[in-house]
Amino acid sequence: AQSVTQLGSHVSVSEGALVLLRCNYSSSVPPYLFWYVQYPNQGLQLLLKYTSAATLVKGINGFEAEFKKSETSFHLTKPSAHMSDAAEYFCAVSFSSNTGKLIFGQGTTLQVKP
Amino acid sequence: EPEVTQTPSHQVTQMGQEVILRCVPISNHLYFYWYRQILGQKVEFLVSFYNNEISEKSEIFDDQFSVERPDGSNFTLKIRSTKLEDSAMYFCASPLAGVGNEQFFGPGTRLTVL
Repeated sequence: AQSVTQLGSHVSVSEGALVLLRCNYSSSVPPYLFWYVQYPNQGLQLLLKYTSAATLVKGINGFEAEFKKSETSFHLTKPSAHMSDAAEYFCAVSFSSNTGKLIFGQGTTLQVKP
Repeated sequence: EPEVTQTPSHQVTQMGQEVILRCVPISNHLYFYWYRQILGQKVEFLVSFYNNEISEKSEIFDDQFSVERPDGSNFTLKIRSTKLEDSAMYFCASPLAGVGNEQFFGPGTRLTVL
């Protein structure tokens, strides 16, 4: 079955520190991968996406993610955390074999400490 | 940037009542989706809609749920007889063109069933 796993429901970093949010997927077909961010009481905003072009994907707000097929991973990173990065982050996957629906991971809450 | 809009932003209803959640997708989009997010949980796929019919639905989307696109612009989700467990945030989304492209999410409707 196709699924997404985000390791760590809660990640806390200091301002200026590296952000690493982990995402692994399970699939028998090539995936399309996405990271979305959700600020409190708001909708979902796309950070970045992987759709079989470059394996290192750059997104908004200084975030990037690397698709590693051998590890079935798509971890999200940012070299230096900012207070405004505090939010909920969701990894999601879709596949060409279905209707394009997104399958989401459980989400990771990022806390940024001053 | 194109925008998906949803109304109302918050709906409070009594158990057993019918509710209709409305979405105005981006005008040239062809696929439409509804997702829900129970408080503190992950985003879950409900239903996808293409060419004026349901293309896929999840096990959550039972007979109490229905969707339609009544006038070519609005996209609605109806819950016929709400239950307490229907309390959630409901998101409408649409991609630019079919599978693999990022989905643009609306701001959501918070449904509270009392």
